[in-house]
Amino acid sequence: QSVLTQPPSVSGAPGQRVTISCTGSSSNIGAPYDVHWYQQLPGTAPKLLIHGNSNRPSGVPDRFSGSKSGTSASLAITGLQAEDEADYYCQSYDSSLSGSVFGGGTKLTVL
Amino acid sequence: QVQLVESGGGVVQPGRSLRLSCAASGFTFRNYGMHWVRQAPGKGLEWVAIISYDGSNKYYADSVKGRFTISRDNSKNTLYLQMNSLRAEDTSIYYCAGATSGYVGWFDPWGQGTLVTVPS
Repeated sequence: QSVLTQPPSVSGAPGQRVTISCTGSSSNIGAPYDVHWYQQLPGTAPKLLIHGNSNRPSGVPDRFSGSKSGTSASLAITGLQAEDEADYYCQSYDSSLSGSVFGGGTKLTVL
Repeated sequence: QVQLVESGGGVVQPGRSLRLSCAASGFTFRNYGMHWVRQAPGKGLEWVAIISYDGSNKYYADSVKGRFTISRDNSKNTLYLQMNSLRAEDTSIYYCAGATSGYVGWFDPWGQGTLVTVPS
C-alpha cells in the first residue's frame, strides 16, 4: 500500500482531457513538500514530467500541467494523444518516513 | 549528454549478496546526491536509498535498512548499491536517479535500470 494514493487507471479518447489525482497526508504533500510527476512508457525507465508541483522540464509539452492544494495534487493532460498511453506516478517527500515516497501509479489508456 | 548506466543485475539465490553499479556521465557527478529506486515486476516505484554528494549522509527505506548499503566513488563517477541477505521480495528492476534538486526534491535523470531476480 503506497503512502500516496492514485487511481489505478484512467482513460480518455484522443483530444480529450484527463486528470490523475494524488492524495497524501500532513507528513508529505500537506507538510508541505512539493509533488513531482513521472511518465513511464511501456518497457522504459520513468521520465520526469512535472517538478515542483507545476513546473515542466524543457521538452515536456504544455499539454501536461500539475497543481497542488492541501494534501492533494493533480496531473492534467489535455489534447490526449496515443503516445500519452503510459503509467504515471506522483512523488513527494515524507517527513515521518525520512524518505521519498511514490504513488502506486496510474495507467492511462487512450481509447 | 547526461547519462546514467546501471549494471550488475542478475539471478542470485536467497541470502546471497550482489553489488549494483551506476556509471554517470555528462554532468558533474560529485556535485549531486543520488538515489536508488526499484520496481518489482508489474508493480509501482519504490524509493530505496539516497546518498549525499560527498557520501557523508545516507538514508534508506525501512524495507532495506540494515541489508543494503549505498556508496559512491566520485573519482570514478560511479554509484553503488551493495545488497546483502537478499530475499525473493527484492526481485525488481533497480534504477539509479539523480537527486539534482536535493534530498526532498525530484528524481532526474534516470538510468535504464538493471534487473535483479531472487528466486523464491
